Amino acid sequence: DTEVTQTPKHLVMGMTNKKSLKCEQHMGHRAMYWYKQKAKKPPELMFVYSYEKLSINESVPSRFSPECPNSSLLNLHLHALQPEDSALYLCASSQTGTGDEKLFFGSGTQLSVL
Amino acid sequence: GENVEQHPSTLSVQEGDSAVIKCTYSDSASNYFPWYKQELGKGPQLIIDIRSNVGEKKDQRIAVTLNKTAKHFSLHITETQPEDSAVYFCAASSNSGYSTLTFGKGTMLLVSP
Repeated sequence: DTEVTQTPKHLVMGMTNKKSLKCEQHMGHRAMYWYKQKAKKPPELMFVYSYEKLSINESVPSRFSPECPNSSLLNLHLHALQPEDSALYLCASSQTGTGDEKLFFGSGTQLSVL
Repeated sequence: GENVEQHPSTLSVQEGDSAVIKCTYSDSASNYFPWYKQELGKGPQLIIDIRSNVGEKKDQRIAVTLNKTAKHFSLHITETQPEDSAVYFCAASSNSGYSTLTFGKGTMLLVSP
């Protein structure tokens, strides 16, 4: 199984809602990532978990809260988002998180904030 | 930090032609250079990568070349097919500390039948 599975595929939320994005991999990878991608732009790194510990937070606003319950699961909790947060949110995994490894991306969650 | 420039931003070719996408990087410490292909509605997928101890790498119709002195690397696709149509991203990183990938801005490749 070389897949990274993300749910839901689409999400529409209001600015006062609380929602969560979920990501799962069963490749035995120990690093997991959240990226944000706006239309016609490259992915922008948000967070990196390595061995279930948060190793990189790219100065992301606190309305985005990551969680790594175990080495196979990664969540992104969303609260009080702004319309400009509308984007494709991609999860990825890699073997150890050294920076020079193949990233396996999921298909993403398309988020619309109204 | 690292800065990756990618050109062209769009590229249209006829089926069977070759396509070349070029990237430059700024950080001489970078030693890993992957290329990702992103089709509509999907996440990026690695298609080929090269490390700084190698000058060229091929995988069937795809090849990547690296010039460390000039700090540039290129993706070459031969005998293009309509299914090669996608957005291609180059990237650069190192294996030091908490290094992460820096992506180029992407090239939209359109292959016409």
